[in-house]
Amino acid sequence: QKEVEQNSGPLSVPEGAIASLNCTYSDRGSQSFFWYRQYSGKSPELIMSIYSNGDKEDGRFTAQLNKASQYVSLLIRDSQPSDSATYLCAVNPWSSASKIIFGSGTRLSIRP
Amino acid sequence: KAGVTQTPRYLIKTRGQQVTLSCSPISGHRSVSWYQQTPGQGLQFLFEYFSETQRNKGNFPGRFSGRQFSNSRSEMNVSTLELGDSALYLCASSPPGTAEAFFGQGTRLTVV
Repeated sequence: QKEVEQNSGPLSVPEGAIASLNCTYSDRGSQSFFWYRQYSGKSPELIMSIYSNGDKEDGRFTAQLNKASQYVSLLIRDSQPSDSATYLCAVNPWSSASKIIFGSGTRLSIRP
Repeated sequence: KAGVTQTPRYLIKTRGQQVTLSCSPISGHRSVSWYQQTPGQGLQFLFEYFSETQRNKGNFPGRFSGRQFSNSRSEMNVSTLELGDSALYLCASSPPGTAEAFFGQGTRLTVV
């Protein structure tokens, strides 16, 4: 079982709709969770961090964490063509406070 | 504030050679991590340095090594290069007290 699992996509969403990206992780003691956006040919960019159960909102982005289900999600409201990218879920495992494990990423495509 | 700077941006090396990559973290960040990104394996953790000490190491052979200097700048070395080492090598720095990682633009290494 992979430590961080994501659906590779591609996920195609119409412009203006809500894009929903999901991630599960295996280390039950994990403490910190991140979403990164990576455009083709570029490096990953941190867009959200979440540390406690519930929702965290930042502009059009909402991260959701459910530690009991070991599940993290990212919602993008009012999707724009510029949101088309690969979204990487990342987890800081309990066993290693300074290490981040990345999922394989979900490719998101926003269609006009 | 300047971001994470990696040099060089591109490298072409021959099998059997060795290579050294450099990373300057964001000012005030003492933790530096290195990652390898390939289409097949995704983003994989190589190692992390803090205050000139390696704190964590991923599952890579001993040909991959690194070090950190007193000014937090870090170098990564790969010896006896193999074709499979062709990848994007990413350096990330983290602010004190958090595992949030901020990435540099990466070094694209091609081994021929």
